[in-house]
Amino acid sequence: EAGVTQFPSHSVIEKGQTVTLRCDPISGHDNLYWYRRVMGKEIKFLLHFVKESKQDESGMPNNRFLAERTGGTYSTLKVQPAELEDSGVYFCASSQEWGGYTFGSGTRLTVV
Amino acid sequence: AQSVAQPEDQVNVAEGNPLTVKCTYSVSGNPYLFWYVQYPNRGLQFLLKYITGDNLVKGSYGFEAEFNKSQTSFHLKKPSALVSDSALYFCAVREDTGRRALTFGSGTRLQVQP
Repeated sequence: EAGVTQFPSHSVIEKGQTVTLRCDPISGHDNLYWYRRVMGKEIKFLLHFVKESKQDESGMPNNRFLAERTGGTYSTLKVQPAELEDSGVYFCASSQEWGGYTFGSGTRLTVV
Repeated sequence: AQSVAQPEDQVNVAEGNPLTVKCTYSVSGNPYLFWYVQYPNRGLQFLLKYITGDNLVKGSYGFEAEFNKSQTSFHLKKPSALVSDSALYFCAVREDTGRRALTFGSGTRLQVQP
């Protein structure tokens, strides 16, 4: 089966611009998670979708971050406007009702 | 609240020697525990998990981990390290009920010297 796909792999944007990250989960996985790792620190949870619904968005840092999951398939994470502290690696993961979590390769975001 | 501690930022070991990467956790209920590895410019790859049952869990690439409930630890081990094991290792936990998201440690960089 195809894995979790994230696009783009790298993004460099200027402070104040908008960036949209995309995640395509494994087909049939209802659960989709976003995480991020700021340089050298732990990987932190951002939010969790079950199908198209936000199950838990307690990790979203502020209202500059907007996540959507269209029709319960792929998900996007938009940062608008981007700030310097948003730089890091954004990971997406998917899982079935109970199963292992499969992670994508991540998107490295650099805000300059 | 859940938390994971990986007390070592880096572990150095000679090729052929046994390796241990330490992890301790804190959860309110019963833990589900995971180890992931990240190679340079790659995503997180699953190594092994503990859900229930035997405290010694065997995973990919010859790695294993031992769940110790009394010490709230889940250390990653391998009997004989390879240079190709050099990577960043993350321990993660979630509770058996409630929130499904994983809580990660800060990662431990493993360097295996030839």
